[in-house]
Amino acid sequence: EVQLVESGGGLVQPGGSLRLSCGASGFTFSTYWMHWVRQAPGKGLVWVSRITSDGSRTNYAASVKGRFTISRDNAKNTLYLQMNSLRVEDTAVYYCALSGGYNKYQNWGQGTLVSVSS
Amino acid sequence: QSALTQPPSASGSPGQSVTISCTGTSSDVGGYNYVSWYQQHPGKAPKLMIYEVSKRPSGVPDRFSGSKSGNTASLTVSGLQAEDEADYYCSSYAGSDNENVFGTGTKVTVL
Repeated sequence: EVQLVESGGGLVQPGGSLRLSCGASGFTFSTYWMHWVRQAPGKGLVWVSRITSDGSRTNYAASVKGRFTISRDNAKNTLYLQMNSLRVEDTAVYYCALSGGYNKYQNWGQGTLVSVSS
Repeated sequence: QSALTQPPSASGSPGQSVTISCTGTSSDVGGYNYVSWYQQHPGKAPKLMIYEVSKRPSGVPDRFSGSKSGNTASLTVSGLQAEDEADYYCSSYAGSDNENVFGTGTKVTVL
């Protein structure tokens, strides 16, 4: 059974940093592209970032480019999102998602809440 | 990249059908056959219901169907059941720069 478990969320002040992790099991992690998607409280889903299976190529939404860094450790079956210079508008539940093809998020984690507030 | 446009709400009685639209542009919905739909119950993670416009993952009931015409995609839920009450989001591939864009979301109520 595919499992994705996010961790690392919490309360942080504006300008601060957090690193999210997503532990994967039940599938061959190293062969899949992975994504981060976020959802602000009461709002819709927003794509954040993507990384290829070998970690060689990444992509970011304009709103986080230059502040967030996606990475992965295939030996540890873990996906990461380093978030720097956090803003109030980054407050959201962050989901990691397994991509089974173009625009096909076939499995999702349970999400981890990031709150940015002073 | 702007969000795809969905109606805020839709409703139907048990056994009826409901159709949700998802309108984008030629740069996303109209440009690629990579439209997907997600169901999200309150406090839960989204669940993939439709991918590549009209394909259903294993385990998704055939009451759920998808289609596309031009810049607008649609999700139809036939034979509505109480458990179908949820938020539904469409999503489209939008090219290598913008990656994927989601819709604004539609709350489906089973009357």
